[in-house]
Amino acid sequence: DVKVTQSSRYLVKRTGEKVFLECVQDMDHENMFWYRQDPGLGLRLIYFSYDVKMKEKGDIPEGYSVSREKKERFSLILESASTNQTSMYLCASSSGLAGGGSQYFGPGTRLLVL
Amino acid sequence: DAKTTQPPSMDCAEGRAANLPCNHSTISGNEYVYWYRQIHSQGPQYIIHGLKNNETNEMASLIITEDRKSSTLILPHATLRDTAVYYCFNAGNNRKLIWGLGTSLAVNP
Repeated sequence: DVKVTQSSRYLVKRTGEKVFLECVQDMDHENMFWYRQDPGLGLRLIYFSYDVKMKEKGDIPEGYSVSREKKERFSLILESASTNQTSMYLCASSSGLAGGGSQYFGPGTRLLVL
Repeated sequence: DAKTTQPPSMDCAEGRAANLPCNHSTISGNEYVYWYRQIHSQGPQYIIHGLKNNETNEMASLIITEDRKSSTLILPHATLRDTAVYYCFNAGNNRKLIWGLGTSLAVNP
């Protein structure tokens, strides 16, 4: 089975802190994604990567950056956390091109910024 | 970007078939139809996908109309564990999936 793991299930940070969210997948997938999910807004794509060191902006990249130094690892960075970045963050991975690939999700990280 | 239309909520009796509809009014020829679900407090889970033909796997069946403008996800014998939010979308080779708000399915005992 595909396994996507995220470094933390719950995280509490203070405004202005730099926050790192880590995601690791074990199925050699080319594509990796970061989403955030908020009530009433559904899942929104922040960034995605289709190869090592490659990244593309999603729909809401402002305030975020990403890093993909190795194929299995995709990191989301909040340079200076703000309260409006309190959310559920979900990482996903997929292989292949056909139809965007079937995405496999991690359990999510609930981030609270105080 | 491709968008879909789903009813916001549905109910189903335990043991009965749950039929979840989706309209794909803007689907193009090379786009697949995907279905996912999200159980409360978990990440979304891939269920099934198809291009033109009907598909079945161990979780569900997918019916796609001939014009591909609509699809139906069928859970043949719904259980309480199938209570979740179900998402459908069509996606092409740009790797991006446009997530709507889905259908909240309540399976009742």
